[in-house]
Amino acid sequence: GAVVSQHPSWVICKSGTSVKIECRSLDFQATTMFWYRQFPKQSLMLMATSNEGSKATYEQGVEKDKFLINHASLTLSTLTVTSAHPEDSSFYICSARGRYSNQPQHFGDGTRLSIL
Amino acid sequence: DAKTTQPNSMESNEEEPVHLPCNHSTISGTDYIHWYRQLPSQGPEYVIHGLTSNVNNRMASLAIAEDRKSSTLILHRATLRDAAVYYCILRDNNNAGNMLTFGGGTRLMVKP
Repeated sequence: GAVVSQHPSWVICKSGTSVKIECRSLDFQATTMFWYRQFPKQSLMLMATSNEGSKATYEQGVEKDKFLINHASLTLSTLTVTSAHPEDSSFYICSARGRYSNQPQHFGDGTRLSIL
Repeated sequence: DAKTTQPNSMESNEEEPVHLPCNHSTISGTDYIHWYRQLPSQGPEYVIHGLTSNVNNRMASLAIAEDRKSSTLILHRATLRDAAVYYCILRDNNNAGNMLTFGGGTRLMVKP
């Protein structure tokens, strides 16, 4: 079945560092990709939606200059957390869907980000 | 997307069937009912989805009420590996811009 690969699985870094997370669709063309964030014991919260070749659409309260999203190809999207601080520590999950809106959304296994 | 209501948690015994309920009284005619589950420290996994008719696949069955205001995910024989948070989500599959919006879900605990 469809697979979404997310890398890295976890990262620990110092405050002020920028961190890039990659999300790849392995066997389908991901026309639309989504980035979610999940804090402990909470549900997933959508951060932004991106369509291949277009600028991402961010949810209210998500800083676009803080969370840079690039969706340059049909198989790759990246999320860069710029100048990360401890409050950015969270579980980041990407998701991808094909061209047609009735297709399921497939999820990566998430990236656990810990900022010291 | 219309909201859904699920119990916070449920318990089941291993190898017994599990019925996970979901209420969605404000569902619209074009909303599909999707179920995903999330195992600890993993991303959500697609389970099943349907519109009006009951659906079966290798993972589960989905029973949809005639008025579509509620649905039930059925795991026919729970295993320890089925312990997860199960999310019932409505999505308008006809709207290209629509994404999955997650509520609280039901945490299923499976006892050996």
